[in-house]
Amino acid sequence: EAQVTQNPRYLITVTGKKLTVTCSQNMNHEYMSWYRQDPGLGLRQIYYSMNVEVTDKGDVPEGYKVSRKEKRNFPLILESPSPNQTSLYFCASSLRPRDPLGYTFGSGTRLTVV
Amino acid sequence: AQTVTQSQPEMSVQEAETVTLSCTYDTSESDYYLFWYKQPPSRQMILVIRQEAYKQQNATENRFSVNFQKAAKSFSLKISDSQLGDAAMYFCAYRRGNTGNQFYFGTGTSLTVIP
Repeated sequence: EAQVTQNPRYLITVTGKKLTVTCSQNMNHEYMSWYRQDPGLGLRQIYYSMNVEVTDKGDVPEGYKVSRKEKRNFPLILESPSPNQTSLYFCASSLRPRDPLGYTFGSGTRLTVV
Repeated sequence: AQTVTQSQPEMSVQEAETVTLSCTYDTSESDYYLFWYKQPPSRQMILVIRQEAYKQQNATENRFSVNFQKAAKSFSLKISDSQLGDAAMYFCAYRRGNTGNQFYFGTGTSLTVIP
């Protein structure tokens, strides 16, 4: 089944403890992206990747890192999480950057930082 | 910068009735794509319908249709014969056609379906 797999689905952590949210797609998509969803703000892009070893900042990149060493994987790293990073996170992918078919989304990761 | 505005944070509709969710966007480009995504309580983001800006004909997908007014930069979603399973958060989104990389999402409309 073609899908974007995100893990974990839920995560509670403490301030400052490094964490990684994994994202993997099995559709050979070039383009991958991370979003955070907050009430009243919609989805805001954190980072994106046009292809392997090509990543760039979105609208809200502060406090996050990403890497794209393989085409299928695009992990989101929080080196020192803070409570303002408590949010719902989505990984999304598309065949290419301007794919008219839109995104395939992962199932989301609910992160709570205490 | 592109912005997408959903002016209705919450909407409700009686089961079997029709409801329209509004969306406006701001762009100076002529080539772009518009989308409606549904997010049920399961959190999964599901593509409902999409529209290419170069197409004048409004997109339809079963009970879902759009009213695309390019000059007015409006992209509303009509849900006919509403069902309980339509209850969800709905996001309108814009994507550039020729340049740029990302989607721009609205803030969402929470739809309640009343039995």
